[in-house]
Amino acid sequence: GAVVSQHPSRVICKSGTSVKIECRSLDFQATTMFWYRQFPKQSLMLMATSNEGSKATYEQGVEKDKFLINHASLTLSTLTVTSAHPEDSSFYICSASTYQGAGMNEQFFGPGTRLTVL
Amino acid sequence: QKEVEQNSGPLSVPEGAIASLNCTYSDRGSQSFFWYRQYSGKSPELIMFIYSNGDKEDGRFTAQLNKASQYVSLLIRDSQPSDSATYLCAASDSWGKLQFGAGTQVVVTP
Repeated sequence: GAVVSQHPSRVICKSGTSVKIECRSLDFQATTMFWYRQFPKQSLMLMATSNEGSKATYEQGVEKDKFLINHASLTLSTLTVTSAHPEDSSFYICSASTYQGAGMNEQFFGPGTRLTVL
Repeated sequence: QKEVEQNSGPLSVPEGAIASLNCTYSDRGSQSFFWYRQYSGKSPELIMFIYSNGDKEDGRFTAQLNKASQYVSLLIRDSQPSDSATYLCAASDSWGKLQFGAGTQVVVTP
């Protein structure tokens, strides 16, 4: 099956610093990558949709200047949390999408990155 | 506002019994529907997807879709303790963007 990796798996940083999270599709080329955030006991909330070579599309309420997304290739997308604050502490999950035919796109999820901002 | 609704649970199921999970969605334009299993602290893993009305079976899992009622369900037969997890229902639009429900926690008791 399709494999998506994320790095790092866990990061602890001080308030005010920036953190970069990488998302890679290891054995396929992803037409689209998605970034989600999940707070404890809550479901996944889509933050942004990213297509290779174009600007990311952010969901309502997500600050594009705070959460910088770069989609440099069909196998790599990065999320940078700039000037992180304790309220940004969360579980960040990326997914990579491929077309499966019959009008269906399937998303393959990375293992997630646990961000803790002190 | 597009919404996917699930009962949060917990749904307690004796080992060997059938677990029945339900999901409704508001966007009639939704194309495909997915069931994911998520263990605590882990990312979701796909159980199965369905996009045509009716039933779809895969091993111990059966998904049912009724587009007229905007209803999706998942049955887990012969439930095992390893099935204890949160089950997420998601609806996909034509662009492949997923809207997730809040998830139903399932607890399988030995």
